[in-house]
Amino acid sequence: QVQLVESGGGVVQPGRSLRLSCAASGFTFSNYAISWVRQAPGKGLEWVSAISYDGTKKYYADAVKGRFTISRDDPRNTLYLQMNSLRAEDTAVYYCARDLRVDFWSDPIIHYGVDVWGQGTTITVSS
Amino acid sequence: QSALTQPASVSGSPGQSITISCTGTSTDVGGYNYVSWYQQHPGKAPKLMIYDVTYRPSGVSDRFSGSKSGTTASLTISGLQAEDEADYYCGSYTSSNTYVFGTGTKVTVV
Repeated sequence: QVQLVESGGGVVQPGRSLRLSCAASGFTFSNYAISWVRQAPGKGLEWVSAISYDGTKKYYADAVKGRFTISRDDPRNTLYLQMNSLRAEDTAVYYCARDLRVDFWSDPIIHYGVDVWGQGTTITVSS
Repeated sequence: QSALTQPASVSGSPGQSITISCTGTSTDVGGYNYVSWYQQHPGKAPKLMIYDVTYRPSGVSDRFSGSKSGTTASLTISGLQAEDEADYYCGSYTSSNTYVFGTGTKVTVV
């Protein structure tokens, strides 16, 4: 079945780095744009970043621009989020999510919304 | 990019219909027909309920419907059921080539 599984979460001190992974299965990973979405404890959803199907286009929310880097390894069917200079406000559950449609033509890519979500991985930034 | 505005809570009795609003601007909700709605039960990942303003993914009950007028999108749940009690979020593509979610609405079935 179509599935996304995140890993790499944990407790990290402010200012340190962490890399999240998202393993995809059950669909042609290289055809889809993928996003990271986070949810702070007791708060709403926040879009963090997205990468195009071919990895050439990357988009970031202002809150993480310059600190986070999204990437993908299509042969491994895996998405990554490199998180540097972490802050307390980055504490959240991080979800990877697949774009709801295949789109090879739009430039820049259109974020249509997401239809497949992982179960999430928790990041706690605390000293 | 500011979050889209939703009411914090909406409640209804079983069988009733409720509507959740999602207000944005001309640079997001008002500018594109790429509004989606997500349902999230406690401790679970969100689930796509509506996409492209009005379309339901396969498997989603036809009790859920979406619409848009100007810069405000709406989700209507008809024939409210106990299982519909959850948090609901709208989301939209933006002119900044990003995606923005709404503030979230807690639906209570009383």
